[in-house]
Amino acid sequence: SYELTQPLSVSVAPGQTATITCEGDNIGGKHVHWSQQKPGQAPILIIYRDNIRPSGIPERFSGSNSGNTATLTISGAHAGDEADYYCQVWVSATAVFGGGTKLTVL
Amino acid sequence: QVQLVESGGGLVKPGGSLRVSCAASGFTFSDYYMSWIRQAPGKGLEWISHISESSTNLFYADSVKGRFTISRDNAKNSLFLQMDSLRAEDTAVYFCARLDIVTTALDYWGQGTLVTVSS
Repeated sequence: SYELTQPLSVSVAPGQTATITCEGDNIGGKHVHWSQQKPGQAPILIIYRDNIRPSGIPERFSGSNSGNTATLTISGAHAGDEADYYCQVWVSATAVFGGGTKLTVL
Repeated sequence: QVQLVESGGGLVKPGGSLRVSCAASGFTFSDYYMSWIRQAPGKGLEWISHISESSTNLFYADSVKGRFTISRDNAKNSLFLQMDSLRAEDTAVYFCARLDIVTTALDYWGQGTLVTVSS
């Protein structure tokens, strides 16, 4: 079965850039979606099709995807960005999620 | 605005059944695929099922195939998940989400409903 691997946690200083990776076999050949989930809340879609931001999502959030790694980049991180981030792809009509990355801003 | 509201969660014994629902508003429900995704306590997201606009196509994760049934009522803007033969490992928050088949993104999620399977 297809697997997506994310780091368990990423830390970033306020105002700096956070990078969260999502590794999968030839993931560059798939469309990757990213969601943000804050404690006790539902996930929110923040990037779809590798690098497109839905309406209302700040430009600070960006994505890229190539080879075996997709990347979510958060520029100018602040405390409000602390959350779990999940990557997701479709494989044979099945949605596959990465294990999630906890972003800490400190 | 798009709203998805789940209901029907609760405590059920192993081997029991439960039906959770998702009420949709703010968009033309019959134009969209819909999905169920769950999250066990302290764990990540797990996709479990989705259904096409007219219920023609149904898809399930192996972990629930043969035990769970997804359905929808477009006249009532509602999505359902019938869960039978429940196990302790089915304990989770169950989210419904809208699936945009053009972008393939799960673009709106409900707040979830908690299902606890315990004796």
